[in-house]
Amino acid sequence: DAEITQSPRHKITETGRQVTLACHQTWNHNNMFWYRQDLGHGLRLIHYSYGVQDTNKGEVSDGYSVSRSNTEDLPLTLESAASSQTSVYFCASSESGETAELFFGEGSRLTVL
Amino acid sequence: GQNIDQPTEMTATEGAIVQINCTYQTSGFNGLFWYQQHAGEAPTFLSYNVLDGLEEKGRFSSFLSRSKGYSYLLLKELQMKDSASYLCVTMDSNYQLIWGAGTKLIIKP
Repeated sequence: DAEITQSPRHKITETGRQVTLACHQTWNHNNMFWYRQDLGHGLRLIHYSYGVQDTNKGEVSDGYSVSRSNTEDLPLTLESAASSQTSVYFCASSESGETAELFFGEGSRLTVL
Repeated sequence: GQNIDQPTEMTATEGAIVQINCTYQTSGFNGLFWYQQHAGEAPTFLSYNVLDGLEEKGRFSSFLSRSKGYSYLLLKELQMKDSASYLCVTMDSNYQLIWGAGTKLIIKP
């Protein structure tokens, strides 16, 4: 069965360190997204991609970067982790087409001390 | 600005019916989604409405009124496994998703 997986599922790091969260999907979807979820907030879009070599900033992109070198993977990098980036991060993918439903990974819980 | 309002928490009884309301203000409108999210898990798609009216899918139904900026999710014959957060999500004129903070539904026996 097709799926979308994230790793690591849990990570604790220190302020200033670089962190990369992996996302891998076998749906063969063109669209991929990274969100963060914090208590009292809706999901907030960090970065998204509509295909290989395409990346776009979302509403909370500062301090994050992504790259899309193939269809399956969209790694999220925190250049210099800050305590404000402690959150649960979800990767998602969807078929082409703006109104397609999103398929989410299991989430990565990141704690920055 | 763009905004979604939905109750923070609701409680209902197993076997009963519950309606979760959502009001929204967006720059343009290209549809409204409902997602379900169990604690500690990822959101999963429930429904999509772009035209006014009621869409029924098993025990779950979703209603939309574009003129009122209003939607609701109706859950019938509640089961304990329906205990989850329900996320109201709109799509604006640029096809960007705006996520509500979610309604935590607690089902009691």
